[in-house]
Amino acid sequence: DIQMTQSPSTVSASVGDRVTITCRASQGISIWLAWYQQKPGKAPKLLIYKASSLESGVPSRFSGSGSGTEFTLTISSLQPDDFATYYCQQYNSDSTFGQGTKVEIK
Amino acid sequence: QVQLQESGPGLVKSSETLSLTCTVSGDSISSGYYWGWIRQPPGKGLEWIGSIFHTGSTYYNPSLKSRVTISVDTSKNQFSLKLTPVTAADTAVYYCASTTSGTYVWGYWGQGTLITVSS
Repeated sequence: DIQMTQSPSTVSASVGDRVTITCRASQGISIWLAWYQQKPGKAPKLLIYKASSLESGVPSRFSGSGSGTEFTLTISSLQPDDFATYYCQQYNSDSTFGQGTKVEIK
Repeated sequence: QVQLQESGPGLVKSSETLSLTCTVSGDSISSGYYWGWIRQPPGKGLEWIGSIFHTGSTYYNPSLKSRVTISVDTSKNQFSLKLTPVTAADTAVYYCASTTSGTYVWGYWGQGTLITVSS
């Protein structure tokens, strides 16, 4: 099984800050990685797939990078609507999610 | 725009069978790609349970494989999840989801339904 580890678990940030979340895979997954945003009581929302491809309708302040075992999600300028929990997911072999990173107000 | 809606009992007794159905609208379940189930225990992260391809092929999380069955009813445009036997550890919000390609990128999600396993 491929394990996904996100860091940090929590990020405290202010509106306008640049936020970076890291996701590491226990073995190489090429670029088969997606990122999701989840708000309390809601289903996750797809942000990025294939490590760096932005889903249609997702603001361009979200970006993804990486390949192999290390990946990052960057929010270039944090907006009030971005306070949420973010999950990475590998789909190189079945489907495994990271444990989540909560972006909270500083 | 694909829409998914989970339905099923909110409470299941320990050692019994959890049964959920996902009704798909806005697209035919036979049109392609994967239809799957993902769950989230209260306050915890997401766990993929399993998927069914439009051809009927099924794929399960190895940690749950012995207890899970996913099936599809094309006449009703629905797919279903059965998990047995359940324990308190199976208490979670259960989401049905679908992909928009031939990979496990979950582009569409249902709203989720909380299933509580009681003793």
